[in-house]
Amino acid sequence: KAGVTQTPRYLIKTRGQQVTLSCSPISGHRSVSWYQQTPGQGLQFLFEYFSETQRNKGNFPGRFSGRQFSNSRSEMNVSTLELGDSALYLCASSFSDLNSPLHFGNGTRLTVT
Amino acid sequence: KQEVTQIPAALSVPEGENLVLNCSFTDSAIYNLQWFRQDPGKGLTSLLLIQSSQREQTSGRLNASLDKSSGRSTLYIAASQPGDSATYLCAVLGFINDYKLSFGAGTTVTVRA
Repeated sequence: KAGVTQTPRYLIKTRGQQVTLSCSPISGHRSVSWYQQTPGQGLQFLFEYFSETQRNKGNFPGRFSGRQFSNSRSEMNVSTLELGDSALYLCASSFSDLNSPLHFGNGTRLTVT
Repeated sequence: KQEVTQIPAALSVPEGENLVLNCSFTDSAIYNLQWFRQDPGKGLTSLLLIQSSQREQTSGRLNASLDKSSGRSTLYIAASQPGDSATYLCAVLGFINDYKLSFGAGTTVTVRA
């Protein structure tokens, strides 16, 4: 069974640009959640999607947004990039919700210059 | 706001020794607590998930306990091996902040051969 796939693996962007990250969940998983990991703040929850609807949201500004498609694949978008957005972005999938084992991808390393 | 703390931040033990990793959280109104392992540059691997109604979970050499009243969880790894070297994170799914995960900063474990 294929795991969670995140693309691209690495990204370098300039301040002010926008970026879109992609996540393909494990087949049959309908919940996809996103996380930001930085050395200073650690792992922080961004949001969770289920059946194309955002179900839960962390404390991030509106520049961070996401969506989920009918095949459960999800994308995350960050607009007007700031230097502080440099981080490892992880997505995780689960069968139903956050109250079940999460399966993480290997992440997208975003560097903002 | 839920605060999750893991002490110590780093731990080095000789091969064969048992590992004891600690996780504490400030609010006991939780759905579950999960333990994860993260290898450098990789995503998280779910090790154990303990529901709020459970006291412990076991998988192979791993055993995790949960004491909601005191806000503590302990992960035991028996007979450690060099392959156990990684960062171990705990995460709490709580009622506060609208059903989202709060992560500890992790304990980095080195098992010396």
